[in-house]
Amino acid sequence: AQSVTQLDSQVPVFEEAPVELRCNYSSSVSVYLFWYVQYPNQGLQLLLKYLSGSTLVKGINGFEAEFNKSQTSFHLRKPSVHISDTAEYFCAVSDHKLGYQKVTFGIGTKLQVIP
Amino acid sequence: ETGVTQTPRHLVMGMTNKKSLKCEQHLGHNAMYWYKQSAKKPLELMFVYNFKEQTENNSVPSRFSPECPNSSHLFLHLHTLQPEDSALYLCASSQETASRTDTQYFGPGTRLTVL
Repeated sequence: AQSVTQLDSQVPVFEEAPVELRCNYSSSVSVYLFWYVQYPNQGLQLLLKYLSGSTLVKGINGFEAEFNKSQTSFHLRKPSVHISDTAEYFCAVSDHKLGYQKVTFGIGTKLQVIP
Repeated sequence: ETGVTQTPRHLVMGMTNKKSLKCEQHLGHNAMYWYKQSAKKPLELMFVYNFKEQTENNSVPSRFSPECPNSSHLFLHLHTLQPEDSALYLCASSQETASRTDTQYFGPGTRLTVL
């Protein structure tokens, strides 16, 4: 079984400040990890993903995340946030079954960027 | 049209109505998914289709009936729903092989309200 824990339901941060959104996971199989962003009234959009290789993953809009196997974490970071980053962020872990993905999502973290 | 589209974007229905949600993907993918997104809960996987065959039914009540006529189209037929079924219904697609997983691409969702 796999699970995802997003420790913060809401994170307020001032514009141009750094931000870290925390994610811990558990999985009994090979790990594929994702961060998605959801803007109001829209679907989910992929920010970045870790499938294998380098543990530091860079994504769109200046976000990056680091896969830490020993701490079972995949925290999302951005050195300087913009107002447009206000959205809800979802961490997810995937178990690849034959022919499809079984993705388990976290409950989401709402990032509120304050002018 | 590009990506994954969903219609309608908003739907209000009574408990005795019959309605259908439509999803279309223009990405040439072979797997399609229905998710339910409710407030303060993680995304719930409802159904998975791979090459038009249903490969997962995640204990969804029979008042939700999926249909996948081809690998580009996915429907969710709704009948005698309950108010607790009000949620955002998201469709996604991905390209899967036996050995490799890939990103799921999401549509914008249908906001369903059951009165």
